[in-house]
Amino acid sequence: GAGVSQSPRYKVTKRGQDVALRCDPISGHVSLYWYRQALGQGPEFLTYFNYEAQQDKSGLPNDRFSAERPEGSISTLTIQRTEQRDSAMYRCASSLALGTDTQYFGPGTRLTVL
Amino acid sequence: AQTVTQSQPEMSVQEAETVTLSCTYDTSESDYYLFWYKQPPSRQMILVIRQEAYKQQNATENRFSVNFQKAAKSFSLKISDSQLGDAAMYFCACLPEYGNKLVFGAGTILRVKS
Repeated sequence: GAGVSQSPRYKVTKRGQDVALRCDPISGHVSLYWYRQALGQGPEFLTYFNYEAQQDKSGLPNDRFSAERPEGSISTLTIQRTEQRDSAMYRCASSLALGTDTQYFGPGTRLTVL
Repeated sequence: AQTVTQSQPEMSVQEAETVTLSCTYDTSESDYYLFWYKQPPSRQMILVIRQEAYKQQNATENRFSVNFQKAAKSFSLKISDSQLGDAAMYFCACLPEYGNKLVFGAGTILRVKS
């Protein structure tokens, strides 16, 4: 079946603007995760959802970052008042269930803040 | 807290030869899962192989196999009969049994020479 999809694939914005990044997980996957990956580094955890419940947001860098998954499927990561340091690849992953199941990643959204 | 270390920033291999990528990790969890992900130039994040720490048998997937040494906290990836399409960044990652955050290493760039 279809894998994890993310949109947009590329986003260029000006400093101070808000951006919304979308993730559509694999159908039937209960858990959804957001990671951020700087160039030349491994992904770092931001937050995750089990169904619609956000169960861990300890990786969100500050209160400009928020995420939601209102119906337990599609998720949106929102960054308010973007700063240049927010530029990175934002990756979404989903797994069939919480914990031990393999996380499958989407293609990522490359965010550039000018 | 968990840490994952990939000590080889870059590796090269001749086509059809075998290469081993190193990974060490540290975790206080009694049970956990280990992964290798491949990131080709397209920057997709593709699962290569998964190992459950409670299993003594090393995981294999076609030309990919691991050498899992639990006592040494070592989890290396062996690629046999290397192909040009294997050229990518490879990330080692650890997931605790009841956790949700994948912790990644910094990655190893693999170059395949024809």
